[in-house]
Amino acid sequence: NAGVTQTPKFQVLKTGQSMTLQCAQDMNHEYMSWYRQDPGMGLRLIHYSVGAGITDQGEVPNGYNVSRSTTEDFPLRLLSAAPSQTSVYFCASSYSPPGHHNEKLFFGSGTQLSVL
Amino acid sequence: KNEVEQSPQNLTAQEGEFITINCSYSVGISALHWLQQHPGGGIVSLFMLSSGKKKHGRLIATINIQEKHSSLHITASHPRDSAVYICAVEVTSGSRLTFGEGTQLTVNP
Repeated sequence: NAGVTQTPKFQVLKTGQSMTLQCAQDMNHEYMSWYRQDPGMGLRLIHYSVGAGITDQGEVPNGYNVSRSTTEDFPLRLLSAAPSQTSVYFCASSYSPPGHHNEKLFFGSGTQLSVL
Repeated sequence: KNEVEQSPQNLTAQEGEFITINCSYSVGISALHWLQQHPGGGIVSLFMLSSGKKKHGRLIATINIQEKHSSLHITASHPRDSAVYICAVEVTSGSRLTFGEGTQLTVNP
């Protein structure tokens, strides 16, 4: 049982480049989400999905796209990287959406992204 | 004002000390989670609380729903406890998670 697998762990991009952060879970969780973590702030929600084929925007969605073609995978795409997207990114999953009393939250190992 | 406030932001302790980290929230919640993040590492769930108290090894977590407050205690602290501890709440309105800024704990030998 691998939990949440997130790749890559580190990435450096130039302004304007695009990339995809991969996220996969093997726990058959319906809810998956992407967060960014910036100094002095709590984790902020970028996009989330409540099941295959369903995605929605979170608090800070601009500049990011997601898709959920299978229950297992939830990739995050940066369309045209900007220095403001320099951050640490976390993928997370849970059995149910927040507010439904999840016994446990599962997070990936994080991606440290620098945009020059 | 943030919906979730943690205190202190930074905490330095000597090995063996009893440690308390606090979390206050201002919204209605269905559950509160304590998370641990080691330097350069991922985030790991420690506890989920909806009422009362839970204990796992040297870690104890409590929640007071009426006062909208939770505490994480570490007994007999050890340098390996050095990490960022994050409080997160499952907000009932809007089905979302809201996170505190985290408490950076350093335990010196």
